[in-house]
Amino acid sequence: EPEVTQTPSHQVTQMGQEVILRCVPISNHLYFYWYRQILGQKVEFLVSFYNNEISEKSEIFDDQFSVERPDGSNFTLKIRSTKLEDSAMYFCASSELSGANTGELFFGEGSRLTVL
Amino acid sequence: AQSVAQPEDQVNVAEGNPLTVKCTYSVSGNPYLFWYVQYPNRGLQFLLKYITGDNLVKGSYGFEAEFNKSQTSFHLKKPSALVSDSALYFCAVGDSNSGYALNFGKGTSLLVTP
Repeated sequence: EPEVTQTPSHQVTQMGQEVILRCVPISNHLYFYWYRQILGQKVEFLVSFYNNEISEKSEIFDDQFSVERPDGSNFTLKIRSTKLEDSAMYFCASSELSGANTGELFFGEGSRLTVL
Repeated sequence: AQSVAQPEDQVNVAEGNPLTVKCTYSVSGNPYLFWYVQYPNRGLQFLLKYITGDNLVKGSYGFEAEFNKSQTSFHLKKPSALVSDSALYFCAVGDSNSGYALNFGKGTSLLVTP
């Protein structure tokens, strides 16, 4: 069964360092998303990506965040200068249709980011 | 604006008994409602959705959910719980006025005991 894969599963970094989280969405999916979950809190939407551009982003997704689909298979989330409050589980997801309409999202297992 | 609430952090049920995991929502347009499940060390998995049509929606693993417009609820139910149902359950909402973002609840931990 096709699945979304994420790497690394866990990354520890120092505050102020750049981090790149990688995702390989399901191959025939067209929409890609990043969500995050701070420990004990709700899953929060960060950004959606379609046709090689951001289609929607939340207030969380400020200038220190960026996304890229560099080679047609990977989908990356970059945090330019990490802060302590960026510590969270980051989930990548993909869908055939808009997940907010009639589609369903397929999630990866998550990348846990710990900022020290 | 959208919001979704899961009022229970944890639900405990004995195996074989019916289970209910509660979810209420608030949206500006027509709601699109989803339930996802997360097993330990796994990503979120889609269970079921309500977009339109019958208020009772059936999904994976014997789960169902009932859309109640007047109470703005979308409770997840299963007639007979299994120990293997123990997991974290997330309700999510989108609406006809929103774009691509789903708004998730904080999750409810379901523990089914033998």
